[in-house]
Amino acid sequence: DAGVTQSPTHLIKTRGQQVTLRCSPKSGHDTVSWYQQALGQGPQFIFQYYEEEERQRGNFPDRFSGHQFPNYSSELNVNALLLGDSALYLCASSTLRGQGDTGELFFGEGSRLTVL
Amino acid sequence: AQSVAQPEDQVNVAEGNPLTVKCTYSVSGNPYLFWYVQYPNRGLQFLLKYITGDNLVKGSYGFEAEFNKSQTSFHLKKPSALVSDSALYFCAVRDPYGNNRLAFGKGNQVVVIP
Repeated sequence: DAGVTQSPTHLIKTRGQQVTLRCSPKSGHDTVSWYQQALGQGPQFIFQYYEEEERQRGNFPDRFSGHQFPNYSSELNVNALLLGDSALYLCASSTLRGQGDTGELFFGEGSRLTVL
Repeated sequence: AQSVAQPEDQVNVAEGNPLTVKCTYSVSGNPYLFWYVQYPNRGLQFLLKYITGDNLVKGSYGFEAEFNKSQTSFHLKKPSALVSDSALYFCAVRDPYGNNRLAFGKGNQVVVIP
């Protein structure tokens, strides 16, 4: 049973560029959340996708956008990169089916973005 | 808004000694609390959760956590620490109004000394 997979694992960009990160959720999961983990900090919630729509959003600017595909996989896009966007970007999957479930999130290994 | 606090930056413990990592929370409503562990250059791994029921929750790798409502705490514990337990530990609380949206603490680095 494949867990949450993310790509790429590492990437380097320069200020002003755009980046796309990809995530495939755990088998059976239909919801994908993205988190940003800056160095020395805990993960911060960016947004969550369910049924191909953004359902919740954290305190991140519009430069951060996303998409969810019919197969539940997801992309995170960041435009006009800033030095402060350097971080580990974590994808987490879960399921919203059966609202009585209060299950944990399953995280991928992350994509480490360095902005120069 | 819900939040958790992890007051210590680093916890040092000798191998074989008890390990405690502290977490306090602030929520409206009933708290849904979680502990995750992160090894270097890895994602987060789920350890345990408290939703309701017994205040002592048992999780993976011999870890347990004690929920204390009066002290609004959810401390992570392990009776006998291993060198392999050296990692970054995060406490998190679930948004009661947002499905599976977690607010994390800043994390605690645990160093188990051989």
